[in-house]
Amino acid sequence: QAVVTQEPSLTVSPGGTVTLTCASSTGAVTSGFYANWFQQKPGQAPRALIYSTNNKHSWTPARFSGSLLGGKGVLTLSGVQPEDEADYYCLLYYGGSWVFGGGTRLTVL
Amino acid sequence: QVQLQQWGAGLLKPSETLSLTCAVYGGSFNGYFWTWIRQSPGKQLEWIGEINHSGNTNYNPSLKSRVTMSVDTSKSQFSLHLTSVTAADTAVYYCARGGAGTAPSKRKNDYWGQGTLVTVSS
Repeated sequence: QAVVTQEPSLTVSPGGTVTLTCASSTGAVTSGFYANWFQQKPGQAPRALIYSTNNKHSWTPARFSGSLLGGKGVLTLSGVQPEDEADYYCLLYYGGSWVFGGGTRLTVL
Repeated sequence: QVQLQQWGAGLLKPSETLSLTCAVYGGSFNGYFWTWIRQSPGKQLEWIGEINHSGNTNYNPSLKSRVTMSVDTSKSQFSLHLTSVTAADTAVYYCARGGAGTAPSKRKNDYWGQGTLVTVSS
């Protein structure tokens, strides 16, 4: 089974910009991986942020955006808020099955 | 507003079968794929599989031999059965609305259940 890799942890200052990446062991992540991104806070179920690489849900704050860059899926947070401190997971499609990344713990400090 | 409510046994012995059910309230049940996901104590998420209202399924290849999903459209419910559980199956199990239709581009995974902690211990 493919392995999806994310940064284990990142730290960002309030108001700053941070980029989280999602890499596949099979090669470059393209639009055909239909990357999803989720945010999870302690004690809560994951909350969907992005689907199919760059599409936002109705509740996704404008400061979150999804894209592809350098062969990876990317989640960018611009103008980070203290409430963005959380774990972030990506999910990639592999022809009928899906694989989650290991998650990135984002600290806002 | 779509809501998913899940339930099932929280404590199992090794070799037993895990059974969870998820009920969908609000929104349409037909036309969607419904998903099971689990999260280990170490926080790793794992996609278990999905089923639609017609009973069409896709399973994680690593779990396929032990997983069965079923659907009861009359009750807007879907279920997960995982056989021969071991301690490695200890996790919080979530149900979620995968997405409309068959296209992976529509897999939004937008609404989730509250999660059920399943512990496997002798």
